[in-house]
Amino acid sequence: QLQLQESGPGLVKPSETLSLTCAVSGGSISGDNYYWGWIRQPPGKGLEWIATIYYSGSTFYSPSLKSRVTISVDTSKNHLSLRLNSVTAADTAVYYCARLGPPITMPRGARYCDYWGQGILVTVSS
Amino acid sequence: QSALTQPPSVSGSPGQSVTISCTGTSSDVGGYNYVSWYQQHPGKAPKLMIYDVNKRPSGVPDRFSGSKSGNTASLTISGLQADDESDYYCCSYAGRYSVVFGGGTKVTVL
Repeated sequence: QLQLQESGPGLVKPSETLSLTCAVSGGSISGDNYYWGWIRQPPGKGLEWIATIYYSGSTFYSPSLKSRVTISVDTSKNHLSLRLNSVTAADTAVYYCARLGPPITMPRGARYCDYWGQGILVTVSS
Repeated sequence: QSALTQPPSVSGSPGQSVTISCTGTSSDVGGYNYVSWYQQHPGKAPKLMIYDVNKRPSGVPDRFSGSKSGNTASLTISGLQADDESDYYCCSYAGRYSVVFGGGTKVTVL
């Protein structure tokens, strides 16, 4: 059974960089032919897509966050990472990593999230 | 990319049916048959309930169904049960490997 687990600091100061990691178990980031991504949810609010990646290096970013976000994968550790620069209080949210289906063998991949991590709350505050 | 529009809340009695709408544009909902729906209980991660407008992942009851007409997609829950009380989010493919979510709808079982 595929499992995803986010980790990272729960508190980040304004103007600093938020860094999160998502460990994938029960499957292979490089071998399973799926896209992987990050989604966030501010407290009491809706979901917001942040970024998507394929292990070969193809990356796709939300236009509203593109200038501050970097998504990456480490196939040797079977995990993906997220970096968000110059954070403000508006970046306070639960951050989820997810697998995006369908497999790349099908057209128009990365169109739904079929596996999610449990999420990690990141608070931006001094 | 603007968030898809969902009603803030819908409610129904046990056994009844409720329908949640999700309105987008021709660049997302109307442009692709790639709408998905997620159920989220408080403090939990979202769970995929419907993908590609009307397909159910394994294990999702057939009480949950999806449809689409033009720029509006819909999720219908038939035979409403207490455990269906939750937040529901729609999501649409929006081109170039991007997706956009709706603002969420709280379903209350009366």
